[in-house]
Amino acid sequence: AIRMTQSPSSFSASTGDRVTITCRASQSINSYLAWYQQKPGKAPKLLIYAASTLQTGVPSRFSGSGSGTDFSLTISSLQSEDFATYYCQQYYTYSPLTFGGGTKVEIK
Amino acid sequence: EVQLVESGGGLVQPGRSLRLSCAASGFTFDDYALHWVRQAPGKGLEWVSGISWNDDTKVYADSVKGRFTISRDNAKNSLYLQMNSLRPEDTALYYCAKGLYGSPNNYFDYWGQGTLVTVSS
Repeated sequence: AIRMTQSPSSFSASTGDRVTITCRASQSINSYLAWYQQKPGKAPKLLIYAASTLQTGVPSRFSGSGSGTDFSLTISSLQSEDFATYYCQQYYTYSPLTFGGGTKVEIK
Repeated sequence: EVQLVESGGGLVQPGRSLRLSCAASGFTFDDYALHWVRQAPGKGLEWVSGISWNDDTKVYADSVKGRFTISRDNAKNSLYLQMNSLRPEDTALYYCAKGLYGSPNNYFDYWGQGTLVTVSS
């Protein structure tokens, strides 16, 4: 199975901060990577797919980059509604599909 | 509007069975792969199983292989998960999720709100 490792697992930030979350795959997944946001008590929401393509309706302050094994999700100016947990997911192979462990973004 | 509504969760004893359902609407059901993803209390997301648009391909996480069976009824716009030999570690919120295309190797653009399965004596 392809292992997805996110870092950090959690951190505190302030509104207006630029924040970056990283995701590393245990083998190359080309650009078959998606990012999700999950708020407490809610289902995950798709933010980015194909490593860097913004899902329709997602604010442009979110961006994704990377290919191969190293990826990142950046929020250019953190807003109050962005405090949540973020997950990466590889879909290079479905045997099995795998998620990262999550990164919780908390208010400083 | 795409909607995915899960049902069938509940409290069940270890070793028993449970069948989850997901009713879909708002899209052409038989064009897309569908998946089950679970989340144990306070934990991260774990993909459980996926099925292709035409029922041709079914895939499972190792943790459930041989115990869980995914199926779909395209005439009823419904997805199912038959869970047998349940274990306490299967306790989780189970989400139904829609894939982007017909094959199971994709990401998820819509999710249901989940149904809670608790395995305990």
